[in-house]
Amino acid sequence: AQKVTQAQTEISVVEKEDVTLDCVYETRDTTYYLFWYKQPPSGELVFLIRRNSFDEQNEISGRYSWNFQKSTSSFNFTITASQVVDSAVYFCALRSAGGTSYGKLTFGQGTILTVHP
Amino acid sequence: DADVTQTPRNRITKTGKRIMLECSQTKGHDRMYWYRQDPGLGLRLIYYSFDVKDINKGEISDGYSVSRQAQAKFSLSLESAIPNQTALYFCATSDSYRAQYFGPGTRLLVL
Repeated sequence: AQKVTQAQTEISVVEKEDVTLDCVYETRDTTYYLFWYKQPPSGELVFLIRRNSFDEQNEISGRYSWNFQKSTSSFNFTITASQVVDSAVYFCALRSAGGTSYGKLTFGQGTILTVHP
Repeated sequence: DADVTQTPRNRITKTGKRIMLECSQTKGHDRMYWYRQDPGLGLRLIYYSFDVKDINKGEISDGYSVSRQAQAKFSLSLESAIPNQTALYFCATSDSYRAQYFGPGTRLLVL
């Protein structure tokens, strides 16, 4: 069975601080995909990034960066110089590439990030 | 225009009523999904469909049914709504190995 754990239920920071959101996953599959989604107060789910299990290169996109480590089954997300607009719920998700779980996303419980001015 | 649309966006209904939530997409994706979101539980998969003739139960399908009327349309029905089905419902689509793209959500309140 697949499982995604986001141990941080809520994080509160002051604007311009860096913040890291943790994500730990469990799967027996050798090929899988990891995702991060953002859910702002308006409620929609915004896709941020997809990562393949065979590509452990870290990725940076503007103020966002992702650290994927297979050895620790983690896919952490860092926001540099946070801004009030980053306030949202962030979800980490896992999807297998085959078998009976093919195509289905397993979500973590989400981390509520609040950035104060 | 949005790629994935859901109607209605908000709905209040009474226990025992049958309701339908509709989802349409213009992305041309074969795969469609229904999730529900509850506070502290993240999103959980209700049903998914890989094409018009392929419908599968997710982890919490009891009390729900679906219909894939066309490649672009996937409806979720609550045959007899109950209060613990109060939640935020999301439809999503995906194509092959790409990310799932979500609709704006439907807030359902069952009284």
